[in-house]
Amino acid sequence: AQSVTQLDSQVPVFEEAPVELRCNYSSSVSVYLFWYVQYPNQGLQLLLKYLSGSTLVESINGFEAEFNKSQTSFHLRKPSVHISDTAEYFCAVTSTSGTYKYIFGTGTRLKVLA
Amino acid sequence: DAGVIQSPRHEVTEMGQEVTLRCKPISGHDYLFWYRQTMMRGLELLIYFNNNVPIDDSGMPEDRFSAKMPNASFSTLKIQPSEPRDSAVYFCASSLRSGQGGNYEQYFGPGTRLTVT
Repeated sequence: AQSVTQLDSQVPVFEEAPVELRCNYSSSVSVYLFWYVQYPNQGLQLLLKYLSGSTLVESINGFEAEFNKSQTSFHLRKPSVHISDTAEYFCAVTSTSGTYKYIFGTGTRLKVLA
Repeated sequence: DAGVIQSPRHEVTEMGQEVTLRCKPISGHDYLFWYRQTMMRGLELLIYFNNNVPIDDSGMPEDRFSAKMPNASFSTLKIQPSEPRDSAVYFCASSLRSGQGGNYEQYFGPGTRLTVT
């Protein structure tokens, strides 16, 4: 079985400041890792994913996440946030084989302040 | 592609009534997922299908909930009878497995906001 923990339910940060949203997972099997973003009144959209290869993955809008197998973490970072980054962010895992179920964390609400 | 389509976008109904939520996945996708999102419980997987066959329905809350996928382009989630605690946003998502040219990404619809009074 897998589980995902997002310890921070809300993160307020000023515009142009850096931010880190934390994600830790637990799994007895190999997993793929994802970050999804949800803007108000919308569905979730993929932000970035780790399937294999380089442990540092980036999105087109400046976010990055690093897969750390020893710490079972996949923290999301951005060096300088914008007002438009205000949204809820979900970390998710799925096993690399067998069941194709996604396990989502409880979400972190990022609020960017002017 | 139009993406995952859900209807209706909003549904308000009275307790005891039957509610049917609809989903059209992205053409060619072979997996379809139904989720429920509430403030209290977050995002919960209710059921998912592979090639129209239900694979795991362990997240379906109780017998009042049922889901079908009669063909590759249509799925329904039905609640009968509905109760106020069913009020939530229900999302449908579809995906294509990597082995078939996919990328493991789930594509979410805009959701149906259900209010049961």
